[in-house]
Amino acid sequence: QQPVQSPQAVILREGEDAVINCSSSKALYSVHWYRQKHGEAPVFLMILLKGGEQKGHDKISASFNEKKQQSSLYLTASQLSYSGTYFCGTSSDGGATNKLIFGTGTLLAVQP
Amino acid sequence: GAVVSQHPSRVICKSGTSVKIECRSLDFQATTMFWYRQFPKQSLMLMATSNEGSKATYEQGVEKDKFLINHASLTLSTLTVTSAHPEDSSFYICSARREYEQFFGPGTRLTVL
Repeated sequence: QQPVQSPQAVILREGEDAVINCSSSKALYSVHWYRQKHGEAPVFLMILLKGGEQKGHDKISASFNEKKQQSSLYLTASQLSYSGTYFCGTSSDGGATNKLIFGTGTLLAVQP
Repeated sequence: GAVVSQHPSRVICKSGTSVKIECRSLDFQATTMFWYRQFPKQSLMLMATSNEGSKATYEQGVEKDKFLINHASLTLSTLTVTSAHPEDSSFYICSARREYEQFFGPGTRLTVL
């Protein structure tokens, strides 16, 4: 039931790009992306509602394929500050409670 | 912005004692709050949905008598870990819902000796 993220971990050099995928076995109403640094709470990145939309700000963007029950997070020209663990949170209850089930996580390390 | 606070940030207690954790939405009202638990190097696991003015909804496998949740007002939800044991040691995080978004508190690190 927990969404599966891939890859589990990725190491980048500054300036390189990365794609993180989130795949669910359930129909999705929305997908939320968060970044968490060690010992801290998750920080909200963006939300995608069903409708197959794509969103982005600065060099981080995401897509949501409702039919495939998948979402992808795109990080371009990565910076050191991008390091952390990325989680997708998925909602399947049509917005009734909007409770999120978090994915398995992807550890991203950006090196100088 | 939307700010959520948690108190305490860190607590160490003896086995068998109860610990209360507060979650507050500081600049918005939240009819729904959520409680998560996170073990080291693992994902956030939803424990329960806290609804203002009604009983909490617990996820499968979460003991409602052990993890007492009270959502007394539109800005406050509390989680009480009763008769805590070492296996309850974890990072507890709350979030508050505003429309489609969830805003997370800074978390509470619980260590049970």
